Amino acid sequence: KNEVEQSPQNLTAQEGEFITINCSYSVGISALHWLQQHPGGGIVSLFMLSSGKKKHGRLIATINIQEKHSSLHITASHPRDSAVYICAVGFLYGGATNKLIFGTGTLLAVQP
Amino acid sequence: KAGVTQTPRYLIKTRGQQVTLSCSPISGHRSVSWYQQTPGQGLQFLFEYFSETQRNKGNFPGRFSGRQFSNSRSEMNVSTLELGDSALYLCASSLGGDGNEQFFGPGTRLTVL
Repeated sequence: KNEVEQSPQNLTAQEGEFITINCSYSVGISALHWLQQHPGGGIVSLFMLSSGKKKHGRLIATINIQEKHSSLHITASHPRDSAVYICAVGFLYGGATNKLIFGTGTLLAVQP
Repeated sequence: KAGVTQTPRYLIKTRGQQVTLSCSPISGHRSVSWYQQTPGQGLQFLFEYFSETQRNKGNFPGRFSGRQFSNSRSEMNVSTLELGDSALYLCASSLGGDGNEQFFGPGTRLTVL
């Protein structure tokens, strides 16, 4: 079983739709990261969170530590949001907190 | 503030050769982590350097090595290249404390023929 599970793997939405991507993890973490990667492009860090909720523009990230679950929401989606969204966790034990373990990513396509 | 830079951006090598990739972190950042991204395995952690010392290591063979200099710049080396080493190699820098946000470079795309 993967330590970090993301769903869905693929997502197609119409412009303007509200989008949710989910991430579940199996052990205690120091922080959870949401990353964005455009095709052929580099990785951009969207959020880092260890509790509660963060908002940046049309993006919202939430985390529930007890349930070991995080969600990334995109409101009023736009074609430029089309990218791979990756959940990554830094594990709490073993002094390896800057070692990120990644989910497999969610490929989002927003159609006009 | 300049972002994380990686050189070269693209590289083509043949099996058996060795390669050195470079990463310059954001000014003031002391931690540099290296990751490999392949279509089959996704993103995987290679190693992390902090203050010139390897602090964490992933599950990669000894052909993969790295180092960090006093100015926090880091290099990674892959010896005796194999076809399966073809990948996007990313580095990320952070201040270095537990759970600090990591800032990713654009990556070096290595192709092994």
